[in-house]
Amino acid sequence: KAGVTQTPRYLIKTRGQQVTLSCSPISGHRSVSWYQQTPGQGLQFLFEYFSETQRNKGNFPGRFSGRQFSNSRSEMNVSTLELGDSALYLCASSHRIAYSMNTEAFFGQGTRLTVV
Amino acid sequence: AQTVTQSQPEMSVQEAETVTLSCTYDTSENNYYLFWYKQPPSRQMILVIRQEAYKQQNATENRFSVNFQKAAKSFSLKISDSQLGDTAMYFCAFMRGNAGGTSYGKLTFGQGTILTVHP
Repeated sequence: KAGVTQTPRYLIKTRGQQVTLSCSPISGHRSVSWYQQTPGQGLQFLFEYFSETQRNKGNFPGRFSGRQFSNSRSEMNVSTLELGDSALYLCASSHRIAYSMNTEAFFGQGTRLTVV
Repeated sequence: AQTVTQSQPEMSVQEAETVTLSCTYDTSENNYYLFWYKQPPSRQMILVIRQEAYKQQNATENRFSVNFQKAAKSFSLKISDSQLGDTAMYFCAFMRGNAGGTSYGKLTFGQGTILTVHP
């Protein structure tokens, strides 16, 4: 069974630009969550999608947005990039059934975003 | 809101020895899950072990075991017979259980402990 796939693995963008990151969950997993990892702030929750709907959102500005498609693949978009957005962005998928207990999250290898 | 604290930024251990990583958390929830994740230099986050709060028995996975003290809100990870491949950043994480709320899928992480296993 293929794991969680994130593309691209590395990105370099300029301040003010926007970027879209992609995450393909494990087959059968309908929940996708996104996390930002930085040396200073550690791992912080961005948002979770389930059945194409955002179910939960962390404390990030509106420049950070996401969506989920009918095949459960998810994209995360960051607009008007700032230097502080440089981070490793991790995607996690889990096999969640409606509002039942979530199972453990399986992570992708992340996208390293550098804003210059 | 939940918080997770890992008070040991770095730890080191000799190969084949045992090491314990500490984690404390704060929550008013009664139904939740606790996890230990490992992140090696490759950056791939790997689940090491999980513990359901309603279970009194401590979870074990081969060389990895936890000491879950619910009243003290403590969740330590013991690694026995340490191997060079155990060198990684270890994160303790919390997830709310099925409370009908909006925290599904949200993991709250500690700051991490860098573990180095020396030959």
